[in-house]
Amino acid sequence: SQTIHQWPATLVQPVGSPLSLECTVEGTSNPNLYWYRQAAGRGLQLLFYSVGIGQISSEVPQNLSASRPQDRQFILSSKKLLLSDSGFYLCAWSPTTSGEIQETQYFGPGTRLLVL
Amino acid sequence: QKEVEQNSGPLSVPEGAIASLNCTYSDRGSQSFFWYRQYSGKSPELIMSIYSNGDKEDGRFTAQLNKASQYVSLLIRDSQPSDSATYLCADSGGGADGLTFGKGTHLIIQP
Repeated sequence: SQTIHQWPATLVQPVGSPLSLECTVEGTSNPNLYWYRQAAGRGLQLLFYSVGIGQISSEVPQNLSASRPQDRQFILSSKKLLLSDSGFYLCAWSPTTSGEIQETQYFGPGTRLLVL
Repeated sequence: QKEVEQNSGPLSVPEGAIASLNCTYSDRGSQSFFWYRQYSGKSPELIMSIYSNGDKEDGRFTAQLNKASQYVSLLIRDSQPSDSATYLCADSGGGADGLTFGKGTHLIIQP
């Protein structure tokens, strides 16, 4: 069976500090990978998605970036955090899409980030 | 910009009754629709997916899709206190694109 891990679980960082969140998936190959953010009072917002190693698509202009150095590893980074970066960061995976239909996405446990 | 709309609630339903959750979407090209359940402080977990017009049943849950009206619903029969959570509706235009989520409906099942 497939398992998705995220760490750290919680993080408190000062404004202007760097950020690195990691997500790994086990039990599948060549998954599609996604980063979402859930801020207070707002819905889940797609930040980045990746269909393969080194392939990153950005959905929202911001001071965040993503990388996929290995097939089942997805990293979210920032050089300088803003107060508005606080939120619940969720990584998700889906099977490789074989056609036009979006496959189900499965979420990791999330990282709760508080920027002070 | 694609939008998914849900009534934020709270929706209060007596234990044992049917809970009805509704969702509308703006993109007529959307092909896939999903319902997730999210407990407070936890990540979303999939309840059901639906791709074709009509009803899809899975245990106590029934999803309904009407593409002409751009409307998706989720019925929960024999509601239990453990069903109390926020229910997120999401759609996708297809391919590997991410999902567009509504803000969720907070459901409370009263014992």
